[in-house]
Amino acid sequence: AQKVTQAQTEISVVEKEDVTLDCVYETRDTTYYLFWYKQPPSGELVFLIRRNSFDEQNEISGRYSWNFQKSTSSFNFTITASQVVDSAVYFCALSAIGAAGNKLTFGGGTRVLVKP
Amino acid sequence: DADVTQTPRNRITKTGKRIMLECSQTKGHDRMYWYRQDPGLGLRLIYYSFDVKDINKGEISDGYSVSRQAQAKFSLSLESAIPNQTALYFCATSRSGTSGEQFFGPGTRLTVL
Repeated sequence: AQKVTQAQTEISVVEKEDVTLDCVYETRDTTYYLFWYKQPPSGELVFLIRRNSFDEQNEISGRYSWNFQKSTSSFNFTITASQVVDSAVYFCALSAIGAAGNKLTFGGGTRVLVKP
Repeated sequence: DADVTQTPRNRITKTGKRIMLECSQTKGHDRMYWYRQDPGLGLRLIYYSFDVKDINKGEISDGYSVSRQAQAKFSLSLESAIPNQTALYFCATSRSGTSGEQFFGPGTRLTVL
């Protein structure tokens, strides 16, 4: 069975501070995908990033960066110089690759509140 | 724009009523999913369908049923709604053979009194 844990339920920061969201996963699959989604107050789910288990390179996209460490089963997400518009709930998710793939297992989410 | 739509967006109903939530997509994807979101629990999979004739139970299917009327349509039914089915429901789609990215509808907020 797959499991995704986001231990931080809520993080509050002041604008321009950096914030790191933790994600730890469990899976018996040797190949899998990891995802981050953002859910702003309006409620929709916005795809942020996908990483496959073959690729442990860290990635940076603007103010967002991701640190994937297979050895510790973690896929952490950092927002640099946070802005009020970053206030949202962020979900980490996992799916297998192959015939059983495409079924996402989500973590419980981390609510980020960025104060001006 | 190719999209995933859900109707209704909001619904208030009473215990024991039958409710249907509908999902349509114009993305041409073969796979469709229903999730529910509860505070602190993230999204949990209710049912999924890999094509019109392939429907599977997810993690929390009890109390729900689905119908895949066409490749583009996937409906979720609550035969006899109960208050603990109050939640935000999301439909999603994906294409087989891809990296698994799912595209979500805007969600339906259901309240069962």
